[in-house]
Amino acid sequence: AQSVAQPEDQVNVAEGNPLTVKCTYSVSGNPYLFWYVQYPNRGLQFLLKYITGDNLVKGSYGFEAEFNKSQTSFHLKKPSALVSDSALYFCAVRDINDMRFGAGTRLTVKP
Amino acid sequence: NAGVMQNPRHLVRRRGQEARLRCSPMKGHSHVYWYRQLPEEGLKFMVYLQKENIIDESGMPKERFSAEFPKEGPSILRIQQVVRGDSAAYFCASSPENYSGNTIYFGEGSWLTVV
Repeated sequence: AQSVAQPEDQVNVAEGNPLTVKCTYSVSGNPYLFWYVQYPNRGLQFLLKYITGDNLVKGSYGFEAEFNKSQTSFHLKKPSALVSDSALYFCAVRDINDMRFGAGTRLTVKP
Repeated sequence: NAGVMQNPRHLVRRRGQEARLRCSPMKGHSHVYWYRQLPEEGLKFMVYLQKENIIDESGMPKERFSAEFPKEGPSILRIQQVVRGDSAAYFCASSPENYSGNTIYFGEGSWLTVV
């Protein structure tokens, strides 16, 4: 079965610094990888996805993610963090009938 | 273009009552997914439906939980005889078809509290 792992429960960065939220995957076949963000008491919002093509995927709100096949990783990045980026971030992989999510990483950006 | 619509947003039920959560998918989407999120936890898949068909219910508890997506109207997640452990956020998502590259889009969730 497809799965993803987010090794960090919590990531803290200072505003203006670059941020990375890590995700590794385990799939059979081609991976279809996604990042979502969840603000308090809200649903998940789609940020970006990797299906095929360029390893660097650009998404909403200035986020991007790099697909690395040799390291089986799909880390989420942003060059300059904003306080408003503070939220819960989920990596996910498409399976046959559903989307499998990681446990989530809470990002806190401090002013 | 309206997104995935869920109602109610918040629902309080006493132990033993029934909870009904409704979901209208995005326009043009015929595939619906239900997920549950317990406090401070990730999302757990419950069920995947198409119109009038349950495709995958491998994540549904064996008892008290049921889901449907009728030909007309919203998808319904039904929880009978609720217990405190059912308190959670229930999210519905939809996609246009079940191609693996398709994004699934989430509603704002229904927060169930069992007292």
